[in-house]
Amino acid sequence: AQSVTQLDSQVPVFEEAPVELRCNYSSSVSVYLFWYVQYPNQGLQLLLKYLSGSTLVKGINGFEAEFNKSQTSFHLRKPSVHISDTAEYFCAVRQGSYIPTFGRGTSLIVHP
Amino acid sequence: GAGVSQSPSNKVTEKGKDVELRCDPISGHTALYWYRQSLGQGLEFLIYFQGNSAPDKSGLPSDRFSAERTGGSVSTLTIQRTQQEDSAVYLCASSSDLDYGYTFGSGTRLTVV
Repeated sequence: AQSVTQLDSQVPVFEEAPVELRCNYSSSVSVYLFWYVQYPNQGLQLLLKYLSGSTLVKGINGFEAEFNKSQTSFHLRKPSVHISDTAEYFCAVRQGSYIPTFGRGTSLIVHP
Repeated sequence: GAGVSQSPSNKVTEKGKDVELRCDPISGHTALYWYRQSLGQGLEFLIYFQGNSAPDKSGLPSDRFSAERTGGSVSTLTIQRTQQEDSAVYLCASSSDLDYGYTFGSGTRLTVV
């Protein structure tokens, strides 16, 4: 069975500071990993995905994530956040053709 | 259209009434998913359609919930005899065989009063 844990329900940060949103997963086989962002009153938008290859994945809006197989983690990072990055972020894991499992989400709050 | 379209965007219904939520996926996407997002919760999987295969209904919370997908395109999620605990945002997503990422619609916010 696959599962996803987002360790922080809320992450407050000041504008232009770096941020890391943590995601750990459990799975007995190879997985595909995703980060999605949800702005208020909108659906989820794909930020980035890891399918195979390089463990450092770059996505939209300056975000990147690193797949760490030994630690079963896929943390999301951005070196300098903007007010507009305030949103809910969801990590998801998928085993092959199985239906993806989503984490509970992390609310990123960027303060001026 | 270019994206996944869901209607209505908001629905308020009385307890005990039936509701239908519609999802129009991206043209050519073979896979369609329904999720439910409750306040403070993550995404709860409901049902999955893949091409002409039988749908995976393993996430439906009760027999009051059902969904169909006509012609491999538009999908309708039906909730019968709605209860207050059904209040949530219902999200639809679609994907193609070539891409493991989803495209989500903006959701339908259902409020049962």
